[in-house]
Amino acid sequence: DAGITQSPRHKVTETGTPVTLRCHQTENHRYMYWYRQDPGHGLRLIHYSYGVKDTDKGEVSDGYSVSRSKTEDFLLTLESATSSQTSVYFCAISSRGSGANVLTFGAGSRLTVL
Amino acid sequence: DAKTTQPNSMESNEEEPVHLPCNHSTISGTDYIHWYRQLPSQGPEYVIHGLTSNVNNRMASLAIAEDRKSSTLILHRATLRDAAVYYCILRDLAGGTSYGKLTFGQGTILTVHP
Repeated sequence: DAGITQSPRHKVTETGTPVTLRCHQTENHRYMYWYRQDPGHGLRLIHYSYGVKDTDKGEVSDGYSVSRSKTEDFLLTLESATSSQTSVYFCAISSRGSGANVLTFGAGSRLTVL
Repeated sequence: DAKTTQPNSMESNEEEPVHLPCNHSTISGTDYIHWYRQLPSQGPEYVIHGLTSNVNNRMASLAIAEDRKSSTLILHRATLRDAAVYYCILRDLAGGTSYGKLTFGQGTILTVHP
């Protein structure tokens, strides 16, 4: 494996509770991304980071926040989880932001919001 | 990002070659063509990428049309482990404000028969 781990891998929570998903890398890559995957929608970008404390929104960022206080960790937080946020979440990393660069994905975190 | 069009599904027999097409008629001169695949219950994984010339690696070959408006991912001998969703994605050469993020479409579901 490329040195990217996500935790937790599975979580069941209730509507209105806060949830934090963690992405940890050992590759020292600058760029990190959070995607969600839902049936019929493929993978959609939530937020991404291009350096420590440098983050930006993706196409489906409402209801999510992120933080990156150190290179190796990128946290995705759902402040108040809703059933529409039930999904599989994937973290990805890359060393550069250019078009030739390759993304490496984690194994995913399956979140169920009841 | 420019749009790509792929067939929803394709089937193949084990040990036969598979040609997965992708149309990208609005591709710009600085767009790289990337292919990723996603095996069941796993995160996407990189397969291959190219800009203008055909490319080969241990996993597959990428054939790019001369006008770059289409490309074909070639699996030379399909195995059961190649059954996955294959995504064709365009990424700008310079990266710029996209910071290397990928925009996924629906992909092609490849079924491999024994």
